Amino acid sequence: QVQLVESGGGVVQPGRSLRLSCAASGFTFSNHDMHWVRQAPGKGLEWVAVIAYDGSYKFHADSVKGRFTISRDNSRNTLFLQVNSLRAEDTAVYHCAKDQQDYWGQGTLVTVSS
Amino acid sequence: QAGLTQPPSVSKGLRQTATLTCTGNSNNVGDQGAAWLQQHQGHPPKLLSYRNNSRPSGISERFSASRSGNTASLTITGLQPEDEADYYCSAWDRSLSAWVFGGGTKLTVL
Repeated sequence: QVQLVESGGGVVQPGRSLRLSCAASGFTFSNHDMHWVRQAPGKGLEWVAVIAYDGSYKFHADSVKGRFTISRDNSRNTLFLQVNSLRAEDTAVYHCAKDQQDYWGQGTLVTVSS
Repeated sequence: QAGLTQPPSVSKGLRQTATLTCTGNSNNVGDQGAAWLQQHQGHPPKLLSYRNNSRPSGISERFSASRSGNTASLTITGLQPEDEADYYCSAWDRSLSAWVFGGGTKLTVL
């Protein structure tokens, strides 16, 4: 069955960086675009970024452009999100999701606090 | 990035029918339609309907999606207690090159 498992979250100070990972299994990872979507505590869903199945294109939300970078390693069936220059408003659960948003991971919590 | 518009809350009685709406524009909902997601507290979202209004395997026929112009709708018939959840619509916006979500609708089953 399809599984998406995120990791890499934690508590970090403003301005610091993290690298989030999403390990995929149960489907042909290299055939599918992948997303990162976040949800701040008590708030709605916010799309963060998408990457093409082969990495040929990447799009990021305006709110993270220049600070976050999506990438993937198809040989390891893994999706990444490099998050730099973190701000308090980046505090959220970060989910990876398969292209049609038909499968989601449980998410990894990023807390930005001094 | 501008999101899609959903009513913040809807309340309906047990076994009644609820229709949730999602309004966008010709660059997103009006272009390729909207997907619908259900989220229970503490859980990741679950896809109820693809952008073409088809249901993923395992989703009850009580959930049906449609679209008219720039507005997408999700109709839930025979409401059950477990339908109480947050519902989100999402669409690809070709002008923004971004996915956009609605703010979510909290459905209460009375």
